[in-house]
Amino acid sequence: QSVLTQPPSVSGAPGQRVTISCTGSNSNIGAGNDVHWYQQLPGAAPKLLIYGDNKRQSGVPDRFSGSKSGTSASLAITGLQAEDEAFYFCQSYGSSLSESVLFGGGTKVTVL
Amino acid sequence: EVQLVESGGAGVQPGGSLRLSCTASGFTFNNFAMHWVRQVPGRGLEWVSFIVWDGSYTHYADSVKGRFTISRDNRKKVIYLQMNSLRAEDSALYYCVKGTLRGTLTADYFDFWGQGTLVSVSS
Repeated sequence: QSVLTQPPSVSGAPGQRVTISCTGSNSNIGAGNDVHWYQQLPGAAPKLLIYGDNKRQSGVPDRFSGSKSGTSASLAITGLQAEDEAFYFCQSYGSSLSESVLFGGGTKVTVL
Repeated sequence: EVQLVESGGAGVQPGGSLRLSCTASGFTFNNFAMHWVRQVPGRGLEWVSFIVWDGSYTHYADSVKGRFTISRDNRKKVIYLQMNSLRAEDSALYYCVKGTLRGTLTADYFDFWGQGTLVSVSS
């Protein structure tokens, strides 16, 4: 059970907008810790998409955006494309050494 | 081009040991912290270990503390993960991951990942 909670799956038709939530607590996201997002295509290693809550990594299309409010963060994909079908993971930090680096459980995005 | 190439994964019996290696290229290796992150195929990601740029500080997930040891050789541009007292729950794909900072774990994130090396612990 991950400390950061993500929905197991979201889906949308091509061109639609989907959002993925990442819910934490006052001891991680709510403490002001940065949230980062990774995309994992089938059979590939994860790839950094968004860092520092809302900054796109170089080369990432601007249809990907990140936001954060309170104890939650979100990744939005606008103009969904077939190539966006993948798993997406959020990452943040805890307030104790036992929970230094936290990942969400991952969300499978399916393009209908 | 940044490249991280892991090796050393294998099948091993419970209680056994393995040493994973990761050879880096394409960036100034001794300027960055490095990490190991693991993933059971089809499941989520779990951060395992971290080593600062000069090897002077390391940190581990509770699940591996006391059993795993991370180290680095900046001359060879390699990091290692010595894994002892292996358990079935350590079975996973182990990724070598580049940090973006020299040595602050709770502000670092992961901008380049290797392709992983598979560890299977089974009797």
